[in-house]
Amino acid sequence: GENVEQHPSTLSVQEGDSAVIKCTYSDSASNYFPWYKQELGKRPQLIIDIRSNVGEKKDQRIAVTLNKTAKHFSLHITETQPEDSAVYFCAASRTGGFKTIFGAGTRLFVKA
Amino acid sequence: DVKVTQSSRYLVKRTGEKVFLECVQDMDHENMFWYRQDPGLGLRLIYFSYDVKMKEKGDIPEGYSVSREKKERFSLILESASTNQTSMYLCASSPPGGATAEAFFGQGTRLTVV
Repeated sequence: GENVEQHPSTLSVQEGDSAVIKCTYSDSASNYFPWYKQELGKRPQLIIDIRSNVGEKKDQRIAVTLNKTAKHFSLHITETQPEDSAVYFCAASRTGGFKTIFGAGTRLFVKA
Repeated sequence: DVKVTQSSRYLVKRTGEKVFLECVQDMDHENMFWYRQDPGLGLRLIYFSYDVKMKEKGDIPEGYSVSREKKERFSLILESASTNQTSMYLCASSPPGGATAEAFFGQGTRLTVV
């Protein structure tokens, strides 16, 4: 079945450094790739998404890149801050479908 | 501001009990979802509903059922709770667009079956 692999499972960076989380999807028909952030004890919330008609999208310190040929997409966080510490989930889905396939999550620690 | 509210943050139930998890959304969303969140496994879809009285199985429906009698409410039912159903349960809703629209999550219910 469809799946999304996410790496690394844990990432620890120094405040101010960059963090990169990578995902690979299996369903070539996937065309929507959201990223959700879940802070400790809170609900997941969408932080950025990308559709398959673009290769990159940026929103302040976060950016997402998509390589459709390789079926890879990545989340980049620059100038990390302690409040970026959370679990990040990548996901993939397709138009006309209702199933979103989530990655296993990456726990990001930003050390002050 | 979209609000998805789950009836309980924490629940402790005994093996064999029938368990109801309730979810209410206030944004008139057509689509509602129940996920289970386990460490190292991410979010796995149990059931979803794209309209009142409509329901579809997700990836792990065994041992669960759902009910959607009103648009704003989506209930998850554990017919006979078992210890392997101990988990965090997340409800979500989304506007038209199915899986290619932003999902809004509830705060989660941590269920422990003893």
